Amino acid sequence: AQSVSQHNHHVILSEAASLELGCNYSYGGTVNLFWYVQYPGQHLQLLLKYFSGDPLVKGIKGFEAEFIKSKFSFNLRKPSVQWSDTAEYFCAVNPSGGGYNKLIFGAGTRLAVHP
Amino acid sequence: DAMVIQNPRYQVTQFGKPVTLSCSQTLNHNVMYWYQQKSSQAPKLLFHYYDKDFNNEADTPDNFQSRRPNTSFCFLDIRSPGLGDAAMYLCATSRPDSDGYTFGSGTRLTVV
Repeated sequence: AQSVSQHNHHVILSEAASLELGCNYSYGGTVNLFWYVQYPGQHLQLLLKYFSGDPLVKGIKGFEAEFIKSKFSFNLRKPSVQWSDTAEYFCAVNPSGGGYNKLIFGAGTRLAVHP
Repeated sequence: DAMVIQNPRYQVTQFGKPVTLSCSQTLNHNVMYWYQQKSSQAPKLLFHYYDKDFNNEADTPDNFQSRRPNTSFCFLDIRSPGLGDAAMYLCATSRPDSDGYTFGSGTRLTVV
């Protein structure tokens, strides 16, 4: 079945540690890729997106993600996390590759950053 | 600020008693979506409106209906809520050619 998979449901890190959250999708063809973040008690916010071009995408708050087409992956990274990065992170795919934006979400990864 | 507003933030309803969740937007976006998010699961698209055109996902139960009386408002109606319908319900908007959604804060529905 077509899906979006996030490998880790919970991640616990200390401040200044590096972060990598995995995301794989199973849709063929052209896709648009997104990472959203949900801080405690807040709504989903867009971190970054990939449509085309440079597969290394930089987003807000020092986050970046790399699209590897051959691996159907779009992993999220941050070199040094802060306590304020504690949140839930969702990978999402628009399998139509544009036009109408039907987003399919992964199950999310809860990140807890300890001071 | 332009935004997507969902009311209420928390809703408690009785088993089988119809309930309506509301969403409003000041973005003038063409497309409005309703997602259901159960605990520790991915948000799941229930349906969307493209202007006045309603698009239901194939696996959305008949128990879930939606109305969009104008561009700004969209409602989710649950005709006979069951215990399994307890979840966070997310409203989102987008333009058809845009690059992402704007989400509301969600309504957490509890069924007792």
